[in-house]
Amino acid sequence: DAGVIQSPRHEVTEMGQEVTLRCKPISGHDYLFWYRQTMMRGLELLIYFNNNVPIDDSGMPEDRFSAKMPNASFSTLKIQPSEPRDSAVYFCASTRPGQGTAEAFFGQGTRLTVV
Amino acid sequence: AQSVTQLDSQVPVFEEAPVELRCNYSSSVSVYLFWYVQYPNQGLQLLLKYLSGSTLVKGINGFEAEFNKSQTSFHLRKPSVHISDTAEYFCAVSPFNTGNQFYFGTGTSLTVIP
Repeated sequence: DAGVIQSPRHEVTEMGQEVTLRCKPISGHDYLFWYRQTMMRGLELLIYFNNNVPIDDSGMPEDRFSAKMPNASFSTLKIQPSEPRDSAVYFCASTRPGQGTAEAFFGQGTRLTVV
Repeated sequence: AQSVTQLDSQVPVFEEAPVELRCNYSSSVSVYLFWYVQYPNQGLQLLLKYLSGSTLVKGINGFEAEFNKSQTSFHLRKPSVHISDTAEYFCAVSPFNTGNQFYFGTGTSLTVIP
């Protein structure tokens, strides 16, 4: 398996623009997580899905953030409108617990810069 | 509620010296335990994990960790570090049967000095 695939790897956008980050989890994994990493706050869980259903979105910072998982192989994280303070690295991770693994597998991340 | 504390934010160590990165956790339920490594501009990669059984677990790149239930600790060790071990290290817990969330520590930046 190619692992968790995120796109784009880098995104530079102007304040006020809409940004969409994409994630393809590992095939067969039924949990998907979105994290944000900054120097100030470290790794923050934004939202996670189980079987395509959002389970906990309490980490989503504001209504400007939204996430969807239309099917088992694709998820998006959208920021509209974007602000400079949204600049961070966004990670997607997936897992399938119950098979003696339990760990989360991370993508390479999307580095977002809002200017 | 769960929390993970990594006591050292930065650890400098000379090449070929031993190193220990500390991790303590708090949880009202049993947890799985993990150490991840993050190299610059990359995602998190699993180093090792404790699910059950022997409390001493071995991972990749010569790292090992010991689960101590009474002290709620899961410290990471390597007897002799290499320059290539310079990276950010994250301790994480995942509670049993509580939605499979992962709780991460704030990370420890390991710098190996030649």
